[in-house]
Amino acid sequence: DTAVSQTPKYLVTQMGNDKSIKCEQNLGHDTMYWYKQDSKKFLKIMFSYNNKELIINETVPNRFSPKSPDKAHLNLHINSLELGDSAVYFCASSRGDVTEAFFGQGTRLTVV
Amino acid sequence: AQTVTQSQPEMSVQEAETVTLSCTYDTSESDYYLFWYKQPPSRQMILVIRQEAYKQQNATENRFSVNFQKAAKSFSLKISDSQLGDAAMYFCAYRRRNQFYFGTGTSLTVIP
Repeated sequence: DTAVSQTPKYLVTQMGNDKSIKCEQNLGHDTMYWYKQDSKKFLKIMFSYNNKELIINETVPNRFSPKSPDKAHLNLHINSLELGDSAVYFCASSRGDVTEAFFGQGTRLTVV
Repeated sequence: AQTVTQSQPEMSVQEAETVTLSCTYDTSESDYYLFWYKQPPSRQMILVIRQEAYKQQNATENRFSVNFQKAAKSFSLKISDSQLGDAAMYFCAYRRRNQFYFGTGTSLTVIP
């Protein structure tokens, strides 16, 4: 069983489209995250979310929005895609404040 | 704000030799966690080693060990008996409560 799974692994889409990336974790963790990794491999936090609190990195455009139907899922919706959104997006999860983050395999988004 | 600095964008090591990757961080907290992650070309983020700040003893996992200097806010990773499979990007990470902060990464090449 994959601990943190993301779909799709690859996504190619045109500018202006709206797309979603799904994330599910089966670890029973209470906090989930979205990270963006750019072409220079920098990992940048976009959102962290648990039952009580959504923390948004203020540099993230409001075209990006997390949606959590339940504790095990945190999906990422992106509206009006731009060329600069091309990157690898990682979902991750952790438990409380005492463990490492477990990562999904990443979604490579290419906007053309 | 917490920041993590990896001053070596690239490193190389001969197979079977030892290499040390550097990491420093900035924090005013006394209770936190530090991690090293490995990202091979497959792009999966893999936990290498974890260190709790309240523990004075340096963490060790097989060929991987850390030199944790809390006062100096330094957290270096030593890889002994380097293997070809160790070639990857290595990220240092700091965790405080539900927030993870990553360094910019060090690309490690292993020379046969």
